[in-house]
Amino acid sequence: NAGVTQTPKFRVLKTGQSMTLLCAQDMNHEYMYWYRQDPGMGLRLIHYSVGEGTTAKGEVPDGYNVSRLKKQNFLLGLESAAPSQTSVYFCASSYFQRKTQYFGPGTRLLVL
Amino acid sequence: AQKITQTQPGMFVQEKEAVTLDCTYDTSDQSYGLFWYKQPSSGEMIFLIYQGSYDEQNATEGRYSLNFQKARKSANLVISASQLGDSAMYFCAMREGDTGRRALTFGSGTRLQVQP
Repeated sequence: NAGVTQTPKFRVLKTGQSMTLLCAQDMNHEYMYWYRQDPGMGLRLIHYSVGEGTTAKGEVPDGYNVSRLKKQNFLLGLESAAPSQTSVYFCASSYFQRKTQYFGPGTRLLVL
Repeated sequence: AQKITQTQPGMFVQEKEAVTLDCTYDTSDQSYGLFWYKQPSSGEMIFLIYQGSYDEQNATEGRYSLNFQKARKSANLVISASQLGDSAMYFCAMREGDTGRRALTFGSGTRLQVQP
């Protein structure tokens, strides 16, 4: 039981490049989330999903897209990376009926 | 409008002493949940404790307790008998409502340093 895993752990991009961050959970959770954490700040919600095939915007969705084709996976895409997207990205998941969100280890992204 | 406020950017505590980390929140929902997470220097987010808005008793989990004062909209974390391994960032978070996205809104965090 790996919990929530994120791939990759660290990535350096040049401005304008694209990439996809993968989040996988093996707990059969309905809800999945992508957050970003900037220095000195708490986590902010980018996008979320309440079930397979559904996604919705959070507080800071600009510049990101997401997909949830399988219940266990939630992908976060950056089509044209910008330096402002330099951050640590956390994925989380939870049951509908449970209160706790389980977080992945984070992906550190540097955009030059 | 900021919904979670943590006014202590940094705190120091002596080993074996108790420490209180402050958190105030703002919501118009009657049903909500309050969380505390620990983030050590390694970066992962570790769930510590949860308090529901309808819970009459303050939540406790081992050395962690949540001092919930609903009328004052505060949800302070109390760590008893601090240990060196408690040195970390601590985040207060809130989930509003029982339906919808159920996402968390986080405060800016408090860095706790435990001194020997």
